[in-house]
Amino acid sequence: GAGVSQSPRYKVAKRGQDVALRCDPISGHVSLFWYQQALGQGPEFLTYFQNEAQLDKSGLPSDRFFAERPEGSVSTLKIQRTQQEDSAVYLCASSPAGGWTAASYEQYFGPGTRLTVT
Amino acid sequence: AQRVTQPEKLLSVFKGAPVELKCNYSYSGSPELFWYVQYSRQRLQLLLRHISRESIKGFTADLNKGETSFHLKKPFAQEEDSAMYYCALHSGNTPLVFGKGTRLSVIA
Repeated sequence: GAGVSQSPRYKVAKRGQDVALRCDPISGHVSLFWYQQALGQGPEFLTYFQNEAQLDKSGLPSDRFFAERPEGSVSTLKIQRTQQEDSAVYLCASSPAGGWTAASYEQYFGPGTRLTVT
Repeated sequence: AQRVTQPEKLLSVFKGAPVELKCNYSYSGSPELFWYVQYSRQRLQLLLRHISRESIKGFTADLNKGETSFHLKKPFAQEEDSAMYYCALHSGNTPLVFGKGTRLSVIA
C-alpha cells in the first residue's frame, strides 16, 4: 500500500511569506508526528497528534509554527512569516499505535518537504 | 535531559571489513534505543530496536547500560550498507530524540 506522502516535496519561500506543508499518513494510522531536520542534524521533534488531538506541541520553535489534523488523517504544518532559520527538511511520520511508547516503536516516515527560505 | 551522541559524522570502511557505528546516550532511566537508516534518495526507516534483540541485514546492536552505549555492528560490510545511520532514544511520554547521524561509506 501507499506509504506516508508529503507535499510539496520542495518549497522556496521569500522571508516573511507564510507556507503550508501537507502530510498524508498511512490510512488508519492513529499517531502522527512532525519533525524538523536542519542540514547536518538529526530529526528534531516538533509536534504529536493522536487522531485529531494534538497531544504535544512542545517542539514547535515559536508561535509562528502551527499544526493541525482536524479529521484525524491529513495534517498540515503552517509556518507564518518564514525566517531563514526555518530552512530545513520537514518530516512527517505516522504510526498505527496510539500513545507515546507504542507509537515510538513503529514510525513510518514520509519523504519530507525541503523548505528553503531566501 | 536526554541526549544522543554519534561521535563520527563519516565512517569509511572497505567492503568485507567490520563496521561499528557508535552511539552514546545520556538518560538516567531505562531508555528504549533504536537505529534508523536512510539510504540514498529513500526515506528514513527503522533498522532495529534494542528491545527486539534482532539482527536486520546482518546488523546487531547491544544496549550497554554501564557505558550508556548502543553501538551498531556488522561483521562484514557490503556496498549496499552505504547510508546515513541515526541512533534514537525514547523514554516514557517523550518524543524520540535522534543523534546527528553517521554517514557510512563502504568502499569496494
